[in-house]
Amino acid sequence: DTAVSQTPKYLVTQMGNDKSIKCEQNLGHDTMYWYKQDSKKFLKIMFSYNNKELIINETVPNRFSPKSPDKAHLNLHINSLELGDSAVYFCASSANLRLSGRSYEQYFGPGTRLTVT
Amino acid sequence: QQQVKQSPQSLIVQKGGISIINCAYENTAFDYFPWYQQFPGKGPALLIAIRPDVSEKKEGRFTISFNKSAKQFSLHIMDSQPGDSATYFCAATNSGGYQKVTFGTGTKLQVIP
Repeated sequence: DTAVSQTPKYLVTQMGNDKSIKCEQNLGHDTMYWYKQDSKKFLKIMFSYNNKELIINETVPNRFSPKSPDKAHLNLHINSLELGDSAVYFCASSANLRLSGRSYEQYFGPGTRLTVT
Repeated sequence: QQQVKQSPQSLIVQKGGISIINCAYENTAFDYFPWYQQFPGKGPALLIAIRPDVSEKKEGRFTISFNKSAKQFSLHIMDSQPGDSATYFCAATNSGGYQKVTFGTGTKLQVIP
């Protein structure tokens, strides 16, 4: 069973298009995240949701809009794609601080490689 | 300051050798320091973690050494194996917040036979 899954795994699109990446976790976690990993492998948090509520919103262009329909899903929609958006996007999840013994561990999905041409 | 500085950027070690990766942080509010391991084409996965109330934590061949006064911590991989070849990220977080994890810049480790 996949703990954190993302679709699609690869996404190739042209500048100006709008695209979405979907993420689902079956771990029963309360918190989900989106990270961007650039070509130099640097990992940068973009957003975090706790029980469908946005709790972390880093300095990200407002072309990026996360949506959490329920606590098991966190999707990322990107409008007007630019060349600089090319990266690997990782979804992650973690358990509720008060309930989990290993509360700080984040479980990452396999990533979505976005290429904007 | 939320930065976590990591070095070296890349490391080549012979099989059986010791791999050492160093990290330094500035924010004294950080109280949890995990290391993540990432294989090509995969997401990062938690390897080992430490809290600042201990100076060392060992799990198998992996050891974290922590120096609270110097605000530095390091990962030692003993008897390094080719299967350890991956990118390693140190990280830090503040348990008082919403688990915002600040990652180091990563170290690409290659263990050669």
